[in-house]
Amino acid sequence: RKEVEQDPGPFNVPEGATVAFNCTYSNSASQSFFWYRQDCRKEPKLLMSVYSSGNEDGRFTAQLNRASQYISLLIRDSKLSDSATYLCVVNTNAGKSTFGDGTTLTVKP
Amino acid sequence: GAVVSQHPSWVICKSGTSVKIECRSLDFQATTMFWYRQFPKKSLMLMATSNEGSKATYEQGVEKDKFLINHASLTLSTLTVTSAHPEDSSFYICSARALQGETLVAEQYFGPGTRLTVT
Repeated sequence: RKEVEQDPGPFNVPEGATVAFNCTYSNSASQSFFWYRQDCRKEPKLLMSVYSSGNEDGRFTAQLNRASQYISLLIRDSKLSDSATYLCVVNTNAGKSTFGDGTTLTVKP
Repeated sequence: GAVVSQHPSWVICKSGTSVKIECRSLDFQATTMFWYRQFPKKSLMLMATSNEGSKATYEQGVEKDKFLINHASLTLSTLTVTSAHPEDSSFYICSARALQGETLVAEQYFGPGTRLTVT
């Protein structure tokens, strides 16, 4: 079983749709959690950190459920520019980062 | 946010040659940098953790003699792919974590990546 698992998609949604991604992790000692966005042939860019209390940034909401060991990302009112691969990243207390394989989102007009 | 640069952004080399890739933190000090490689439609695979002033820590299955890492200063780490072969062709990305006081922040900032093609 992978340490970090994501639904690879692809998710194809129309503009304006709401879409949610989930990510599960196996290491219960994981300390910090992030969503990164990666455009084709580019480096990952930090989208947002994920906290137990939830974290909202405009149209994006991230949630962490430690008991069930998953994190989620909700995108409301999807824009064409949201099309990308979304990577779930989990850090252990030793500072090691483990990446999910990514979920591909395509927003269509 | 913090800025990390990589050079070169792409390189084509012949089998058997060595290629050096530089990773620099431009506006912060990075005692720890990470080197990843990424294959098409796959996620990043950590190769090694580069520590300033000491030996790098390699992940299982990564040959340290093939992928030489040098972290000579607080702003520069280099990865040298020695005797490159076509199977080494990949997208190599470095990242760094900034120091906040004496604490390493959790977020990673990535360089733009180096696309290596070995012919």
